[in-house]
Amino acid sequence: QVQLQESGPGLVKPSETLSLTCAVSGYSISSGYYWGWIRQPPGKGLEWIGSIYHSGSTYYNPSLKSRVTISVDTSKNQFSLKLSSVTAADTAVYYCARHTLRLSNWFDPWGQGTLVTVSS
Amino acid sequence: QSVLTQPPSVSAAPGQKVTISCSGSSSNIGNNYVSWYQQLPGTAPKLLIYDNNKRPSGIPDRFSGSKSGTSATLGITGLQTGDEADYYCGTWDSSLSAGQVFGGGTKLTVL
Repeated sequence: QVQLQESGPGLVKPSETLSLTCAVSGYSISSGYYWGWIRQPPGKGLEWIGSIYHSGSTYYNPSLKSRVTISVDTSKNQFSLKLSSVTAADTAVYYCARHTLRLSNWFDPWGQGTLVTVSS
Repeated sequence: QSVLTQPPSVSAAPGQKVTISCSGSSSNIGNNYVSWYQQLPGTAPKLLIYDNNKRPSGIPDRFSGSKSGTSATLGITGLQTGDEADYYCGTWDSSLSAGQVFGGGTKLTVL
């Protein structure tokens, strides 16, 4: 079955860039679907960050768009997130998920999530 | 402040039925499909309902979804203690600030 696994530093300093990668197994990213990033601050709700198609086409959350870059590497079957100029408000569990988009929309499956703390 | 409005909490006894509402607008729920997610404590969200009322394989028929106008509802019958979780609705917002949006989440307590 399709599985996603996030990886990256668990601690990032303020003003620096947060970088995460999501490795996909059991499905080829090139076969279709969008692939998304969602985050959840401690004790709070879900916030969509953005999603990317295997062609590189992207959708970003307008509130984060100026700081976000999502890229895809089909050769490694993975996609990545970069969030620049981070502050403590970016501390959250970051999830990656397969995103059905166009005509319908849902996220399934999800990775287990990775906690990223922004602190000096 | 979430684009989609959910009650912060609901509760019911084991075996009973509960509904969770999700209110939006014409730019999101009114013109797009709704999905629902269950997040058990300490775990990643899991898809419960997609396309307003469809259940993925493996999701019991105790869970149901519906949509009317700019609101959607998740129903859970035959409540079990294992259903205690946070539940989120989600949809696409087609306004100028287009994107995927979620409700603020509803904490279900099975008394």
